Amino acid sequence: DIQMTQSPSTLSASVGDRVTITCRASQSMSSWLAWYQQKPGKAPKLLIYKASSLESGVPSRFSGSGSGTEFTLTISSLQPDDFATYYCQQYNSYSRTFGQGTKVEIK
Amino acid sequence: EVQVVESGGGLVKPGGSLRLSCAASEFTFSTYSMNWVRQAPGKGLEWVSSISSGSSYIYYADSVKGRFTISRDNAKNSLYLQMNSLRAEDTAVYYCAREPYGGDSSSPYYFDYWGQGTLVTVSS
Repeated sequence: DIQMTQSPSTLSASVGDRVTITCRASQSMSSWLAWYQQKPGKAPKLLIYKASSLESGVPSRFSGSGSGTEFTLTISSLQPDDFATYYCQQYNSYSRTFGQGTKVEIK
Repeated sequence: EVQVVESGGGLVKPGGSLRLSCAASEFTFSTYSMNWVRQAPGKGLEWVSSISSGSSYIYYADSVKGRFTISRDNAKNSLYLQMNSLRAEDTAVYYCAREPYGGDSSSPYYFDYWGQGTLVTVSS
C-alpha cells in the first residue's frame, strides 16, 4: 500500500494567515491525490481532486499543487470557518490510503 | 441534492456480527461505485471496501479481508456491509461514500459525497 505522510500534524494560525499543509507519498502516484476538510462530528468534505482541481462550491482561497510524491494544500487567507482537520488521500491504487491528518487550530 | 444515509450501527460483542446499510437518493445509484470508509474514535480515516456499479469489482482493506462483505442492491438504491468476527479494533464511525464517476470499472477514485456515518462499538 502507498503510505501518505502529512505535515505538520497540528498547525496554529490566525485569521488572514496563509497556511500550507504538505502530504508526501511513499511512491510516485502521478496526480491522483485528493484533499478533504473535516469538522468535529461531521463527515469529510471534498476540497481538491487530481492534486489541483477545485471541487465545485469550494472557496477559491483553497488550492492544491504537486505531483509524484509531494503535494501541498494552501489556504491563501485563513477564515474562521477553516479551522478544522485536513486529510490527503491517494487514489493511485484501489487500496485508497489517507494521511494522518493536520489539525488547523486558532492561534 | 445527493444523499447517502447510513444505518445499522450499534454495540456488539467481540466475535459478533453486524450489517450496515446505506440508502442513496437523488442520483442514479446503479451507475456509481460505492465505498465504506471508517474512522476510529479520535483517529484518522481508513478506507474499508469498495464495490463497482455492477458489483464486478470488489476490494477490501487487508484489515477486514475475510471478515467483511460488501454488497449492493441497485433496485433498492442500497449499499451494505456485512461485518463478521468483529474485534475491538473495528470500533469506529463507518461512512458510506460515493465515487464521482460512473461505470462498472476497476479504476479507483476519490469520494465526492459522504453520509453522516454510523457508529459501531465492539465491546464486551
